[in-house]
Amino acid sequence: DTEVTQTPKHLVMGMTNKKSLKCEQHMGHRAMYWYKQKAKKPPELMFVYSYEKLSINESVPSRFSPECPNSSLLNLHLHALQPEDSALYLCASSQTSGGANTQYFGPGTRLTVL
Amino acid sequence: EDQVTQSPEALRLQEGESSSLNCSYTVSGLRGLFWYRQDPGKGPEFLFTLYSAGEEKEKERLKATLTKKESFLHITAPKPEDSATYLCAVLGEYGNKLVFGAGTILRVKS
Repeated sequence: DTEVTQTPKHLVMGMTNKKSLKCEQHMGHRAMYWYKQKAKKPPELMFVYSYEKLSINESVPSRFSPECPNSSLLNLHLHALQPEDSALYLCASSQTSGGANTQYFGPGTRLTVL
Repeated sequence: EDQVTQSPEALRLQEGESSSLNCSYTVSGLRGLFWYRQDPGKGPEFLFTLYSAGEEKEKERLKATLTKKESFLHITAPKPEDSATYLCAVLGEYGNKLVFGAGTILRVKS
């Protein structure tokens, strides 16, 4: 089973709201990723967690706050977002972050910031 | 800097009309090349991982090949359900993240 799940599927929020995106995998993977994807563009890496520790932050604004409570869960906390943050947010996981391990993506959360 | 270029940007095929998508890459030591399929509004679906020149992998109507400079995704007798964006990504020896191409949008008409 190579399934990564994400909730919610869709999220509409105002610029003053606080919300969270959730991601879960049960493949025993020890690396988890957050990507942002704008329309007609490839995914852009935001964060990488390796063994539940943040290993890569691609200079993402502090209004995005990742959290990895355990090896199966990954959250992305959102606060004071801007309309330009509207995008498809993708979670992915792989066995580890080192080596050429395949990343498996979830279905994504479509975020709209009003 | 690792780079990936996919061509064509868009491809329209008739059902049953075989063709190939190209992924050209520049990387300092290839650790892996990945093909994904993405339907509109959904996450990328993993297709293949290739590690070394000469390697080939097949799945149903799809076959991926790899040389030292490029990879091809061959689609044999495509069906309308093969319509999607196909993404290619590489991981280089000194890179710590996937580098994606812009993708090829494939439309197969019946």
